[in-house]
Amino acid sequence: GENVEQHPSTLSVQEGDSAVIKCTYSDSASNYFPWYKQELGKRPQLIIDIRSNVGEKKDQRIAVTLNKTAKHFSLHITETQPEDSAVYFCAASFNDMRFGAGTRLTVKP
Amino acid sequence: DVKVTQSSRYLVKRTGEKVFLECVQDMDHENMFWYRQDPGLGLRLIYFSYDVKMKEKGDIPEGYSVSREKKERFSLILESASTNQTSMYLCASSSLGLGDGTQYFGPGTRLLVL
Repeated sequence: GENVEQHPSTLSVQEGDSAVIKCTYSDSASNYFPWYKQELGKRPQLIIDIRSNVGEKKDQRIAVTLNKTAKHFSLHITETQPEDSAVYFCAASFNDMRFGAGTRLTVKP
Repeated sequence: DVKVTQSSRYLVKRTGEKVFLECVQDMDHENMFWYRQDPGLGLRLIYFSYDVKMKEKGDIPEGYSVSREKKERFSLILESASTNQTSMYLCASSSLGLGDGTQYFGPGTRLLVL
């Protein structure tokens, strides 16, 4: 089955800096890669996703890149703000979804 | 607006009790999922269902069972609760193929087993 590894587990940046979270997956058949943001005490919510036929996708300050050959994908957040502070989960799926362990991002004002 | 609800936000049970966690979605989604969330382990799939009365084991099904008698409702059952089942339980639903679609999450149930 699919195995997703996510790094780093914690990340602290200064407001305005960029943050990068990386994930690797094991199943080359995986074709859908969403990213979820979970604020303290709230449910995970989708912030961006990418499919295997696309190499990069951007939505305002958030971008995701996918390298199918290397089986890794990354989340990039530019111009970070304190409200970006949350736990971020990557996931990979073909038949069912598998999540990474999460990255706790702290943006210091 | 998408809506997934769970029967309880907080639950305290004793070891050996039978526990029911219910999840309801109003989006007519075919797929429903139960995860548990533990620090440092992320979201781990317990069971999922792709149709009424259909269920598939996830990564950690031991000690759990599920029931899906109606499309909108997916129940997680702990037959005999144990302290290692203390966790946050999240339900989710999605449309399209099993892994090819946004999952919408419920608010979660924090279960404490004493």
